[in-house]
Amino acid sequence: GENVEQHPSTLSVQEGDSAVIKCTYSDSASNYFPWYKQELGKRPQLIIDIRSNVGEKKDQRIAVTLNKTAKHFSLHITETQPEDSAVYFCAATLSGGSYIPTFGRGTSLIVHP
Amino acid sequence: GAVVSQHPSWVICKSGTSVKIECRSLDFQATTMFWYRQFPKQSLMLMATSNEGSKATYEQGVEKDKFLINHASLTLSTLTVTSAHPEDSSFYICSALASGGFYGTQYFGPGTRLTVL
Repeated sequence: GENVEQHPSTLSVQEGDSAVIKCTYSDSASNYFPWYKQELGKRPQLIIDIRSNVGEKKDQRIAVTLNKTAKHFSLHITETQPEDSAVYFCAATLSGGSYIPTFGRGTSLIVHP
Repeated sequence: GAVVSQHPSWVICKSGTSVKIECRSLDFQATTMFWYRQFPKQSLMLMATSNEGSKATYEQGVEKDKFLINHASLTLSTLTVTSAHPEDSSFYICSALASGGFYGTQYFGPGTRLTVL
């Protein structure tokens, strides 16, 4: 089955800096890669996703890049703000068939004011 | 966007009792729902995949007789923790897969915090 590795487990940055979280996956058939943000005690919320037919997607301060050859994808947050502090999860899945998402272990992002 | 509700948001029960958790997709139909368990500061652990009108598919190591899942309609799935014990205390989160197009998007419920005394 699919295996997703996520790094780092903890990331501490100063407000205004950029943050990068990286994930690798094992199943080359995976074609959908969402990113979720989970604040303490709350539900994970989809913040951005990328399909395997594109290499990059951007939404304001958030961007995701995908390298299918190397089987890794990354989340980039620019101009970080304290409200970006949360746990971020990446996931990989094969959509359109037996959709079973595999999640990374999560990255705790702390943005210091 | 799509909304998933979960009830109750928290529950405290005595050891040996059963607890039912409901997961509803409020504004869309979900043929597939997922049940996760999350321990503090850990990732989401998939327990089972629930498909409307059929038996749930459980992940390895998850006892199907202990965690009963029923997906009776396109908007409702339930998880019943039977004969709960303190080690079952956890944060249980459901999600619903919004169909439409080739790629489905997963929407999560707010979670249920179960404490077994």
